[in-house]
Amino acid sequence: DAGVIQSPRHEVTEMGQEVTLRCKPISGHNSLFWYRQTMMRGLELLIYFNNNVPIDDSGMPEDRFSAKMPNASFSTLKIQPSEPRDSAVYFCASSPRVAQYFGPGTRLLVL
Amino acid sequence: DAKTTQPPSMDCAEGRAANLPCNHSTISGNEYVYWYRQIHSQGPQYIIHGLKNNETNEMASLIITEDRKSSTLILPHATLRDTAVYYCIVRVVTQGGSEKLVFGKGTKLTVNP
Repeated sequence: DAGVIQSPRHEVTEMGQEVTLRCKPISGHNSLFWYRQTMMRGLELLIYFNNNVPIDDSGMPEDRFSAKMPNASFSTLKIQPSEPRDSAVYFCASSPRVAQYFGPGTRLLVL
Repeated sequence: DAKTTQPPSMDCAEGRAANLPCNHSTISGNEYVYWYRQIHSQGPQYIIHGLKNNETNEMASLIITEDRKSSTLILPHATLRDTAVYYCIVRVVTQGGSEKLVFGKGTKLTVNP
């Protein structure tokens, strides 16, 4: 199994631009999670889905962030417009029920 | 969710057992103890979880005290590749599927040659 796949692995963009992060979960896993990690705030959950349905988005910072899961094999996290404080590593994780399996992350730098 | 307390850092000699403690004195009866680790620049990695019985897998052993107020993760023969931040998390597991995890600061384990 290839594990959780995230793309791009690195993204550098300018303030105000739209950023789209992508995630392919492990086949058969019914839960998907988006996390953000910074030095200041550590690892924070942004949103998670069960069976493609958003369950808890209380961690999404503001309306500039949105996440979708159109099917069981694909999810996106979009930031529009991006700001320098959004610079972080964004992780996607999937889970069959108990353990969560994380992808390699996307390093985002907003200039 | 119950809070957890972990030492900020620990050292261990290569080849020796690494014993990482975690206090969770406010844990409730239906909360599980999870351990994850994060090696530098990688995503967190699931290690093990348990409810009240001791657990062992190919990576580690989890010892939970009888009152469930604390636990210890044991890496029996630490290697340099075990250098990482180790997170202890307590969380309910529901019928609906996996629930969100709240990561604290964890313990930075350094395995020395």
